[in-house]
Amino acid sequence: GAVVSQHPSRVICKSGTSVKIECRSLDFQATTMFWYRQFPKQSLMLMATSNEGSKATYEQGVEKDKFLINHASLTLSTLTVTSAHPEDSSFYICSATGLSFTDTQYFGPGTRLTVL
Amino acid sequence: GDSVTQMEGPVTLSEEAFLTINCTYTATGYPSLFWYVQYPGEGLQLLLKATKADDKGSNKGFEATYRKETTSFHLEKGSVQVSDSAVYFCALNLKAAGNKLTFGGGTRVLVKP
Repeated sequence: GAVVSQHPSRVICKSGTSVKIECRSLDFQATTMFWYRQFPKQSLMLMATSNEGSKATYEQGVEKDKFLINHASLTLSTLTVTSAHPEDSSFYICSATGLSFTDTQYFGPGTRLTVL
Repeated sequence: GDSVTQMEGPVTLSEEAFLTINCTYTATGYPSLFWYVQYPGEGLQLLLKATKADDKGSNKGFEATYRKETTSFHLEKGSVQVSDSAVYFCALNLKAAGNKLTFGGGTRVLVKP
């Protein structure tokens, strides 16, 4: 299957700082990337969808100025949590689809963000 | 709107027992159906998929058949192992919805030796 990586796997930061999370497709070109947030023992909540070279499309209720998404190349998307606060602490997971499998999302391993 | 309903867990089994996790869906179109598995502290791994009615997806001893008449995609495994302990998510994808996944709530499975 297609491989998606995320970096970092864990990050701890102080309240008010910004954190960048990278999502990379390692063996395919990702036409679309998705960013999710997952709370403990819950399902995934879609935050936004991004296509290479285009602005991300955010789901209702997600603050686009707080969660900045950049999809600068066909293998890299970044999520920046700006001015992070403790309530932003969560597990963030990205996924990607490729040209030959537009209906199948392959997921990264996730990033655990803790804001102190 | 589109939705996926799966049985609530946790499901606790003994090793070598038979596992079934029920999943039903509601969709306005003709979706592709998926099962993903999530191990503790990790992202989701694609377990299997089916794209049309009567398709059977299978992987690692798990199977699920796309039943259009009952709008279901139940996951089964004949003999579970301790290593199958995880959370299982049923999901659907509609191309008309921009290939976004609609997830069920997840079912936690615990296999005891």
